[in-house]
Amino acid sequence: GAGVSQSPSNKVTEKGKDVELRCDPISGHTALYWYRQSLGQGLEFLIYFQGNSAPDKSGLPSDRFSAERTGGSVSTLTIQRTQQEDSAVYLCASSLRGGNQPQHFGDGTRLSIL
Amino acid sequence: AQSVSQHNHHVILSEAASLELGCNYSYGGTVNLFWYVQYPGQHLQLLLKYFSGDPLVKGIKGFEAEFIKSKFSFNLRKPSVQWSDTAEYFCAVIPAYSGAGSYQLTFGKGTKLSVIP
Repeated sequence: GAGVSQSPSNKVTEKGKDVELRCDPISGHTALYWYRQSLGQGLEFLIYFQGNSAPDKSGLPSDRFSAERTGGSVSTLTIQRTQQEDSAVYLCASSLRGGNQPQHFGDGTRLSIL
Repeated sequence: AQSVSQHNHHVILSEAASLELGCNYSYGGTVNLFWYVQYPGQHLQLLLKYFSGDPLVKGIKGFEAEFIKSKFSFNLRKPSVQWSDTAEYFCAVIPAYSGAGSYQLTFGKGTKLSVIP
């Protein structure tokens, strides 16, 4: 079946611009996660959505980052006033339900800030 | 908060050699453990997981891992590697309880494996 779908696969933008990254989770998965993978770093947790509960935003690095999930399915991660240190691969994952279930990852969006 | 340490940044092996990738974690409670693999140009895939029971778990493609609780380790092994095993391998942990933070996977920085034909 279809896996986690992310778009765009690559995004190049100028410093100071806003960007939106999209994630379409596996159908039927109620939990959705965003992670960031920076050069030389491991994967860093950003935000977690589970059903209709309030998201856990504790991993967002600054108030320039926000995310929403509409209708319990598609999610959008928005970065405002991008900075060069935002350059990274942004990964989305979903799991059948929350908790510590195995997470299934998308291909990621490679974001480059000029 | 939990942390994960992978000892090797880059491992180079010849085909048929045996593989062991180290992973140690730090956390004050019970954890669930995972190994993920990322083949070149592909997304992260689950290789194997440990939740409870037999500490020796078998995953896909002939990989296995052993959880040693006393050493806080979850090393990945394969008796004989193939060129197609060339990839980056990530160890990850997640708290085993239910509640706040229990869904946050914490990853190591990854180990790149290059297998020479």
